[in-house]
Amino acid sequence: GNSVTQMEGPVTLSEEAFLTINCTYTATGYPSLFWYVQYPGEGLQLLLKATKADDKGSNKGFEATYRKETTSFHLEKGSVQVSDSAVYFCALSRSNSGYALNFGKGTSLLVTP
Amino acid sequence: EAGVTQFPSHSVIEKGQTVTLRCDPISGHDNLYWYRRVMGKEIKFLLHFVKESKQDESGMPNNRFLAERTGGTYSTLKVQPAELEDSGVYFCASSQEQGNIQYFGAGTRLSVL
Repeated sequence: GNSVTQMEGPVTLSEEAFLTINCTYTATGYPSLFWYVQYPGEGLQLLLKATKADDKGSNKGFEATYRKETTSFHLEKGSVQVSDSAVYFCALSRSNSGYALNFGKGTSLLVTP
Repeated sequence: EAGVTQFPSHSVIEKGQTVTLRCDPISGHDNLYWYRRVMGKEIKFLLHFVKESKQDESGMPNNRFLAERTGGTYSTLKVQPAELEDSGVYFCASSQEQGNIQYFGAGTRLSVL
């Protein structure tokens, strides 16, 4: 079946540090891949997405590239800010499952000043 | 435009009681999804409505869970009787069409004591 594995947190970084959160997936065919973010007290928000191999999703300084050969969708940001502190979820969806999302466990990120 | 609204935000009940969670999707969104995150685990898909019809309920854990979406607008998820393992955060999401971005509510935190 479809599944997503992402690195366990929590991750603690100093402001302006480089961020990488690893995400790999298992799925048949060609899923769409997503990163969702949950800020404290809020719902999940779509951060970025990619729908086919080699696509790069980007938003708010975050990037992730759909790598079919390594079945990965790692999230990166060159310089994190305190306001980036949140829980990040990697997810996939497929058309044959009504586009329901399969999520990873989430990675908690804390950025300190 | 109002986002996806869920209430209550938090519910504390005793084992054996009944609880009903409500989700108001974004107006005009035909697709409504329920998900659940149990402590320490992934966010798991529960079911998917297209308008008032259940498209996929393969993620519903057992027959103590009943979801409805009368009239194709808001949806309710009833747990009867609640068990300890039902504790977690229940998320609702909606999308205009399948494959479009899913917009999430803030979730309902259910605590079964």
